[in-house]
Amino acid sequence: DVKVTQSSRYLVKRTGEKVFLECVQDMDHENMFWYRQDPGLGLRLIYFSYDVKMKEKGDIPEGYSVSREKKERFSLILESASTNQTSMYLCASSLPALNTEAFFGQGTRLTVV
Amino acid sequence: AQSVTQPDIHITVSEGASLELRCNYSYGATPYLFWYVQSPGQGLQLLLKYFSGDTLVQGIKGFEAEFKRSQSSFNLRKPSVHWSDAAEYFCAVGPMNSGGYQKVTFGIGTKLQVIP
Repeated sequence: DVKVTQSSRYLVKRTGEKVFLECVQDMDHENMFWYRQDPGLGLRLIYFSYDVKMKEKGDIPEGYSVSREKKERFSLILESASTNQTSMYLCASSLPALNTEAFFGQGTRLTVV
Repeated sequence: AQSVTQPDIHITVSEGASLELRCNYSYGATPYLFWYVQSPGQGLQLLLKYFSGDTLVQGIKGFEAEFKRSQSSFNLRKPSVHWSDAAEYFCAVGPMNSGGYQKVTFGIGTKLQVIP
């Protein structure tokens, strides 16, 4: 069974902390994505990566960075967490072909207090 | 720019009743279209997708969707809803050519409630 695994289901962090969200996929996919999900706003792309050490900004990259040192792992970093980053974060992966779907992790619900 | 509109934020249907969730897209060419489902506390799972060919596509869990180019729509249907279908449903559109990266734009989602 294909899997995208996010390291935490729930996280509570303090304002100003540096936060790491980890994602691992076992499908040897080239593409990996980080989305943010908020009620009424749907899914918004933060960053994506199409290869090891390669990354591109999505629609809302401000306040975030990413790291992809290995093909199977894609990390989202909140350099200095703020309360407006309280959200559900979803990681996904896909093959590079155009006609392919993304596979999603279960999500990490982050609360910044 | 591509965009997706899901006009219904919440829908309530009775178990056994038929279901139609609406999706309209804006895109300059023939799009790639997807429907995903998100059960409570879970990530998204693909229900079905359309790229070309037959405009009526079948998916998992008894769902189907019809691509109508003239209406820029890709509505999701199910003839008889089960209580386990209660979830949030996302329509998404992707480009034909993106230099190897398929950027997918998601709608805001439709939350389905199923009542006995």
